[in-house]
Amino acid sequence: EADIYQTPRYLVIGTGKKITLECSQTMGHDKMYWYQQDPGMELHLIHYSYGVNSTEKGDLSSESTVSRIRTEHFPLTLESARPSHTSQYLCASSEWGNQPQHFGDGTRLSIL
Amino acid sequence: AQRVTQPEKLLSVFKGAPVELKCNYSYSGSPELFWYVQYSRQRLQLLLRHISRESIKGFTADLNKGETSFHLKKPFAQEEDSAMYYCALESDNAGNMLTFGGGTRLMVKP
Repeated sequence: EADIYQTPRYLVIGTGKKITLECSQTMGHDKMYWYQQDPGMELHLIHYSYGVNSTEKGDLSSESTVSRIRTEHFPLTLESARPSHTSQYLCASSEWGNQPQHFGDGTRLSIL
Repeated sequence: AQRVTQPEKLLSVFKGAPVELKCNYSYSGSPELFWYVQYSRQRLQLLLRHISRESIKGFTADLNKGETSFHLKKPFAQEEDSAMYYCALESDNAGNMLTFGGGTRLMVKP
């Protein structure tokens, strides 16, 4: 079934660890996005991609990095996690043109 | 820079009452506006967009460029409408980038 998948759903990990949040979509979308959302707050775009080998930073500055080696895969990496990285991370994808974005379930990240 | 404001964090109404979730935006270009909804334990999903001019689940939203608003309305709220609602603006420059408001939690009481 065509969908967008995020793993893990929840992650609790210690400070200083390297973390990769996975996002994959099987809808054939070229555009993919990462948002960060603190509890009760708005979503902030932190990274986006127009296609393979394309990555751009979003409105909110983030210490995370992303890569887009394959169309369907858009992982987000934190090289050394800190408590300030605790948040929910949402991945989304869309077709070209003014098409709506499709969101994954999100990853709730807690850094101790 | 664009900005989306949802002035109410929480809106509580009784079943059958009319509901209006407010959304104001600031943007110098020609905006496209959306309402996204997140029901309990579900994903964020598109509810409606102004360009479609359609009613979804009884909800409508009209873009008022003079007041820079895109309020979401439903004449008779149902309990299943209880959810988190986000207004979002898509800029008309490259990218299909969305700017979200802070969200309004709608609670419909029986």
